[in-house]
Amino acid sequence: GDSVTQMEGPVTLSEEAFLTINCTYTATGYPSLFWYVQYPGEGLQLLLKATKADDKGSNKGFEATYRKETTSFHLEKGSVQVSDSAVYFCALATGGYQKVTFGIGTKLQVIP
Amino acid sequence: DAGITQSPRHKVTETGTPVTLRCHQTENHRYMYWYRQDPGHGLRLIHYSYGVKDTDKGEVSDGYSVSRSKTEDFLLTLESATSSQTSVYFCATTGGYDNSPLHFGNGTRLTVT
Repeated sequence: GDSVTQMEGPVTLSEEAFLTINCTYTATGYPSLFWYVQYPGEGLQLLLKATKADDKGSNKGFEATYRKETTSFHLEKGSVQVSDSAVYFCALATGGYQKVTFGIGTKLQVIP
Repeated sequence: DAGITQSPRHKVTETGTPVTLRCHQTENHRYMYWYRQDPGHGLRLIHYSYGVKDTDKGEVSDGYSVSRSKTEDFLLTLESATSSQTSVYFCATTGGYDNSPLHFGNGTRLTVT
């Protein structure tokens, strides 16, 4: 079946550091790929998405590129802020009902 | 956002009692989902609905049932709560068009003692 692999963390960075969170996937067909973010006490919200190979999703300084050859969708940001502290979920969607498979989530803590 | 309200936000219950969680949406989205979130597991799909009275099982459906009698409401019932069902439960919706993202409620934290 479909699966998404990402490290659980926590990842601790200093403010203005470069962020990479790795995500690899296994899926049949051609999935859409997503990054969701969860702030404390809240539900998940969409951060960015990509729907086909070589697409780059971007939002709020974050970006990720859909790499079909390596089945990856790594999240990057050039300079993190304290306000970026959250849990980040990589996810894929296949099928007519948008059945979504999530990774385990990576907790990011940014310290001043 | 998509106007998704979950109730209650917090609940403590005893083993063996039935529990119903409610999800209410105001966006007229066709698809609704119940997930549970647990450390080390991320989000796992319990049940989903693709229309009024149309539901199907997800990957962790044992011990749970759902009902959807109106477009806006999706109920999750734990028939006889167990300690393994202590978790945070999230409702999500989507309009279902291609590549549409999920919209999430703020979750219900359930503790079974």
